[in-house]
Amino acid sequence: NAGVTQTPKFQVLKTGQSMTLQCAQDMNHEYMSWYRQDPGMGLRLIHYSVGAGITDQGEVPNGYNVSRSTTEDFPLRLLSAAPSQTSVYFCASTLGTGNTEAFFGQGTRLTVV
Amino acid sequence: KNEVEQSPQNLTAQEGEFITINCSYSVGISALHWLQQHPGGGIVSLFMLSSGKKKHGRLIATINIQEKHSSLHITASHPRDSAVYICAVGGSNYKLTFGKGTLLTVNP
Repeated sequence: NAGVTQTPKFQVLKTGQSMTLQCAQDMNHEYMSWYRQDPGMGLRLIHYSVGAGITDQGEVPNGYNVSRSTTEDFPLRLLSAAPSQTSVYFCASTLGTGNTEAFFGQGTRLTVV
Repeated sequence: KNEVEQSPQNLTAQEGEFITINCSYSVGISALHWLQQHPGGGIVSLFMLSSGKKKHGRLIATINIQEKHSSLHITASHPRDSAVYICAVGGSNYKLTFGKGTLLTVNP
């Protein structure tokens, strides 16, 4: 059981480039989410999905795009990278509401130069 | 004011010491999560609790719903316990709200 698989682990982008962070889970979880983690701040929600075909914005959605075509996959797209998007990104999935265990990917360390 | 407050922000201990990390929250919750993140590593769920107390090995988590407070205790701390410990609360929807984390360093 692989859990949540997140790729890549590290990435360096130039300002203005685009890229996709991949996230896949094999636990048949309905809820998937993307967070960014910055020094001195808690994890902040970027986008989330409550099922295939359904996505919504979180706390810090600007500059990011998501889609959920299958239950398993929830990619995060950076449309035009900016230095302010330098961060560590985590994908997470849960079976249901806030009282079910959350599973996290290994994180992607993104640097935008 | 953040909805989830952790204390202390940083904690240094000697191997063998008893450790306590605190978490206070200001919203109604359905469950509270304790997470662990080793330096440069991923995030792992340690506990999810909605009442009382849970124990796993040397780790103990307690929650007081009336006081909106939870504690994570580590008995007989070890250098491998050095990590960031994160408190998160979940409500009736799918979303989690996170504290800023407590950086624990255990020296040999």
